[in-house]
Amino acid sequence: AQKVTQAQTEISVVEKEDVTLDCVYETRDTTYYLFWYKQPPSGELVFLIRRNSFDEQNEISGRYSWNFQKSTSSFNFTITASQVVDSAVYFCALSEGNQGGKLIFGQGTELSVKP
Amino acid sequence: EAQVTQNPRYLITVTGKKLTVTCSQNMNHEYMSWYRQDPGLGLRQIYYSMNVEVTDKGDVPEGYKVSRKEKRNFPLILESPSPNQTSLYFCASSLGESPGKTGSRTREQYFGPGTRLTVT
Repeated sequence: AQKVTQAQTEISVVEKEDVTLDCVYETRDTTYYLFWYKQPPSGELVFLIRRNSFDEQNEISGRYSWNFQKSTSSFNFTITASQVVDSAVYFCALSEGNQGGKLIFGQGTELSVKP
Repeated sequence: EAQVTQNPRYLITVTGKKLTVTCSQNMNHEYMSWYRQDPGLGLRQIYYSMNVEVTDKGDVPEGYKVSRKEKRNFPLILESPSPNQTSLYFCASSLGESPGKTGSRTREQYFGPGTRLTVT
């Protein structure tokens, strides 16, 4: 069965600290896609990144980086030098190859960055 | 500007009064979907549409209807709303499937701003 687990419900850091948000997924499909979305206090869902199951390259975008490891079924998200504007709920999501595009979301990690 | 729009953004209604939440995208996306977000339950898919006139149930379709008469629009209909449908609703769209293409820019779904519905 497909499942996404974000074990960290809440994380609180002080500005400029690095923080890693964990995501562990379960799927029987060999073709699947992983995503991270950000939900700021205003409520919208903002797409951050997509990874395909056949591409294990890590990715860096500014202060954001993602570590995809199939061996541990993890897709972790690191924010370097966190800022107050990073405060949000972050969702990891999975889409399987044969599920018509449905996103299976984790429960989300609420990140609070304090000045 | 490429976007997904939803209306209304906020709605308070009473049990049994039919309502429609509209969703429109201007990106020529084939795939559209509705999700609801509830505390403790997270985000769950209600219905989705692979293309015009093609719709299918998601994980929690009971009490909802959808239609896809045009590519850009995907309204969510609550024929007889009940208090357990009080929720935050999101519409999403994406390019859709590209079989055989690896690394193609499909699958990522872009979400509307959300509709907060309260049914009393």
